[in-house]
Amino acid sequence: NAGVMQNPRHLVRRRGQEARLRCSPMKGHSHVYWYRQLPEEGLKFMVYLQKENIIDESGMPKERFSAEFPKEGPSILRIQQVVRGDSAAYFCASSPLNPSYEQYFGPGTRLTVT
Amino acid sequence: GENVEQHPSTLSVQEGDSAVIKCTYSDSASNYFPWYKQELGKGPQLIIDIRSNVGEKKDQRIAVTLNKTAKHFSLHITETQPEDSAVYFCAAIAYSGAGSYQLTFGKGTKLSVIP
Repeated sequence: NAGVMQNPRHLVRRRGQEARLRCSPMKGHSHVYWYRQLPEEGLKFMVYLQKENIIDESGMPKERFSAEFPKEGPSILRIQQVVRGDSAAYFCASSPLNPSYEQYFGPGTRLTVT
Repeated sequence: GENVEQHPSTLSVQEGDSAVIKCTYSDSASNYFPWYKQELGKGPQLIIDIRSNVGEKKDQRIAVTLNKTAKHFSLHITETQPEDSAVYFCAAIAYSGAGSYQLTFGKGTKLSVIP
């Protein structure tokens, strides 16, 4: 049973460009969560999605960030007009149900903004 | 919202010794407390968890204890090995007020096991 998959693993963008991060949950999991991790920090919740629905985006910055989880295909975290402060590791997790017990994490995407 | 404090931030132990990491949380409604191990360049890996109706849980060399009255929980690793070296995160689940339950993480403990 494949785990949570994320791609790309590393992404370099210049300031002002767009970044698209993809996440495929574990088989049988329909709940997806995105987290951001800054160096030497813990993980910070960004958004929780189910298929075709954003359930909780209370941790998402109000501007430039958006997320989706379409009926078919992976979940996408999109960052428009990236700035240096967006440089971080972005992790996706999935779980079979919510409350979000037993979240399983992917390997992350490390975004560097130059 | 929930706030999770984790101590110490770094911990060095000799191989074979025990390691203890402690966390406190603020939301008395929290009822699920997982621990994650993160190796360099990898995603967090769930290693053990405990629910609020249990005071202690053990899995081989790893154990977790929970004191709901004091709102703190701890990770205990016995007979440490070099491969235990990693960053460990505690977390607590709480209702976000925005329609879902969220995990709130501590800032992590960097454990170094010295051979």
